[in-house]
Amino acid sequence: DIQMTQSPSTLSASVGDRVTITCRASQSIGDWLAWYQQKPGRAPKLLIYKASSLESGVPSRFSGSRSGTEFTLTISSLQPDDFATYHCQQYNNYSWTFGQGTKVEIK
Amino acid sequence: QVTLRESGPALVKPTQTLTLTCTFSGFSLSTSGLCVSWIRQPPGKALEWLGRIDWDDDKYYSTSLKTRLTISKDTSKNQVVLTMTNMDPVDTATYYCARYRTRIEAFDYWGQGTLVTVSS
Repeated sequence: DIQMTQSPSTLSASVGDRVTITCRASQSIGDWLAWYQQKPGRAPKLLIYKASSLESGVPSRFSGSRSGTEFTLTISSLQPDDFATYHCQQYNNYSWTFGQGTKVEIK
Repeated sequence: QVTLRESGPALVKPTQTLTLTCTFSGFSLSTSGLCVSWIRQPPGKALEWLGRIDWDDDKYYSTSLKTRLTISKDTSKNQVVLTMTNMDPVDTATYYCARYRTRIEAFDYWGQGTLVTVSS
């Protein structure tokens, strides 16, 4: 199975900060990478699919990019509603795996 | 409006079989490109994909769990059922069902999740 290495595991930031989270795949997955936001006690919410496509209704401050097997989620200006845990998810050959998650905390 | 909701026992004993039902609305599982997956999350840990059933009844399972899992659907009732045999305390987790769209290869709608505790 493909492994997803997500970093950092925890990130402390302030409102208005630019935040970057990274996921690295253990082998090539093309663009098949999605990002989710999860708040405590809630289900994950899809933010980005196919590495850089914004899901409908998601604020434009969220963006995704890819360089080889490294994928990045960027929040351009962190808002109070964005303090949450973020997960990456890959798809390859009928197998799906998630990263370990990144908790974005208030600094 | 797409919704999914998981139901089933909150507590099961070791070695027992877990059966969870996902009841959904707002889409049909006979529509090409739509699927339902099961995903779990142990307390404080990462998400783990368990399996998927497709509009055409194809099924896919986690390599590490496939001997214990069965997923089926009842399209007329808008339900998907997960069965997991030989439950162990390490299977304690919140279990989610989620809609999957093959066009984007992502889970676009999730149920609220149901916590299953495995304990004697």
